[in-house]
Amino acid sequence: NAGVTQTPKFQVLKTGQSMTLQCAQDMNHEYMSWYRQDPGMGLRLIHYSVGAGITDQGEVPNGYNVSRSTTEDFPLRLLSAAPSQTSVYFCASSIDQNTEAFFGQGTRLTVV
Amino acid sequence: AQTVTQSQPEMSVQEAETVTLSCTYDTSESNYYLFWYKQPPSRQMILVIRQEAYKQQNATENRFSVNFQKAAKSFSLKISDSQLGDTAMYFCASAYNTDKLIFGTGTRLQVFP
Repeated sequence: NAGVTQTPKFQVLKTGQSMTLQCAQDMNHEYMSWYRQDPGMGLRLIHYSVGAGITDQGEVPNGYNVSRSTTEDFPLRLLSAAPSQTSVYFCASSIDQNTEAFFGQGTRLTVV
Repeated sequence: AQTVTQSQPEMSVQEAETVTLSCTYDTSESNYYLFWYKQPPSRQMILVIRQEAYKQQNATENRFSVNFQKAAKSFSLKISDSQLGDTAMYFCASAYNTDKLIFGTGTRLQVFP
């Protein structure tokens, strides 16, 4: 009964380093999304995917890459981390575009 | 573009009392979805209630109910018989497609004993 699993839960990076935030879901959901949460700004959409092989940009895509090679996984890549990317990142999935989105527990990322 | 506004950064309520959280939104879509999510200190995003715009009847889930005013683009959340476990950040969100949620800035609710 895992749902949406994000790893790691916490991460500290140095400016310029790269890393991948992992997101996996075991509910066979076609739709997956990445959001970032900053104080006073709510959650904002970074990238989303409507199925394997299909991705698109959200509201704040700059500095992030995604790919969707399988239905289950939707990793988020930071190629060169910047302090402005310090945030809490959430992955979400849903069966289709009309049903509830399920969220992972989030990854707190600090870039120093 | 869709926007969601929550004008109450913080609210407090006594245990067992009723509290209403406000939310307004703007969208050009004719059909869309509205949500309230709860985020306790654990950081988990938990769906509290959802409303489909084409349904006139207000959604209810146990102690949680909404007042959906489509013409006014208002979607407030009423919590009845407040409990200590309701202490959390509450986010209002709208979506044309549920994989692309637009969130408000949140309301921090504190329930006092």
